[in-house]
Amino acid sequence: AQSVAQPEDQVNVAEGNPLTVKCTYSVSGNPYLFWYVQYPNRGLQFLLKYITGDNLVKGSYGFEAEFNKSQTSFHLKKPSALVSDSALYFCAVRDIDTGFQKLVFGTGTRLLVSP
Amino acid sequence: EADIYQTPRYLVIGTGKKITLECSQTMGHDKMYWYQQDPGMELHLIHYSYGVNSTEKGDLSSESTVSRIRTEHFPLTLESARPSHTSQYLCASSHREYGSPLHFGNGTRLTVT
Repeated sequence: AQSVAQPEDQVNVAEGNPLTVKCTYSVSGNPYLFWYVQYPNRGLQFLLKYITGDNLVKGSYGFEAEFNKSQTSFHLKKPSALVSDSALYFCAVRDIDTGFQKLVFGTGTRLLVSP
Repeated sequence: EADIYQTPRYLVIGTGKKITLECSQTMGHDKMYWYQQDPGMELHLIHYSYGVNSTEKGDLSSESTVSRIRTEHFPLTLESARPSHTSQYLCASSHREYGSPLHFGNGTRLTVT
């Protein structure tokens, strides 16, 4: 079965500093990987995805993610954090073992950006 | 902002009541989903649909049921609510193509007393 792991429950960073939210994956075959963000009392919003092509994927709100096949990682990054980036971040992988190809989510990482 | 709507946003009801959580999308997406998000934030797929008249159970066993009579509408029903059903319920939709991202509604936070 396909799965993703987010090893950090929370990441703390000061505003203006670079941020990284970690994600590792376990798949059979080629991975379809996604990042989502959830603000308080809201649903999840799509940030970016990797299917094929360049290992560096650019997404919404200045976020990017680096796909690393040898390390089976898909870390989310931003060069300069904003206080408004504080939210819950989910990594996800498309489960290709089923015909429906549903998304399997990680457990989430809370990002806290301090002023 | 995705065009997928969930009502109500918040619901507090007593044990044994029947409830229906509404979910509608205006994007013409074939696939729709219901996720349950527990207090620990983890998301669990409880139902999904390929299209009209198609419904399947997800990974997490749920006492709820769903229907898909129209493409845009995917309501979730609990026949007899219990305190263990207290949770956040998120509806989502996507195109059928591989790699299509999910679009989520803002969720219904259900509390059963």
